[in-house]
Amino acid sequence: GNSVTQMEGPVTLSEEAFLTINCTYTATGYPSLFWYVQYPGEGLQLLLKATKADDKGSNKGFEATYRKETTSFHLEKGSVQVSDSAVYFCALSRSGNTGKLIFGQGTTLQVKP
Amino acid sequence: DSGVTQTPKHLITATGQRVTLRCSPRSGDLSVYWYQQSLDQGLQFLIQYYNGEERAKGNILERFSAQQFPDLHSELNLSSLELGDSALYFCASSEWDDGDGYTFGSGTRLTVV
Repeated sequence: GNSVTQMEGPVTLSEEAFLTINCTYTATGYPSLFWYVQYPGEGLQLLLKATKADDKGSNKGFEATYRKETTSFHLEKGSVQVSDSAVYFCALSRSGNTGKLIFGQGTTLQVKP
Repeated sequence: DSGVTQTPKHLITATGQRVTLRCSPRSGDLSVYWYQQSLDQGLQFLIQYYNGEERAKGNILERFSAQQFPDLHSELNLSSLELGDSALYFCASSEWDDGDGYTFGSGTRLTVV
């Protein structure tokens, strides 16, 4: 079936460090891929998305490239800030006529000053 | 403010009781989605409505039901509550039914005692 696997956290980094959060997926057809971020006490916010192979999604310094050959959608940021501390979720949307999202288990990022 | 409004924010109730969670989607959005977030199961899709009709169903228990009203707001009804139903319940909305980027509400935290 369709699934998303993220690297286990928590990930602890110092400010200005490079961030990578790994995400791999299993899906039939051609899914769209998403990264969502959840700050403490809040709902999830869409961070970026990619809808086809080799697309790169980017937002607020974060980037992720849809790699069909490796079924991956790793999240990267060149220089993290304390304000990036949050839980990050990778998700996929199956092609078809429903909007169901399948989420990974989430990765907690803590950035220390 | 994401534009998706969920009430109440917190709910504490006893086992065996019934509760109703309410969601008002962002203006112009026709789809409403319900998700359950718990520590052990992560984010699980419950159900989707599109323009008043059920569009997709996930791992929703028979004790749970939902509907979307003509004004597009949605209610999730949880009955015969058990301790294991304690979780964060999120509502999200999107313009269409293809899941191409949701807007999430801030959630209702349900505690069953």
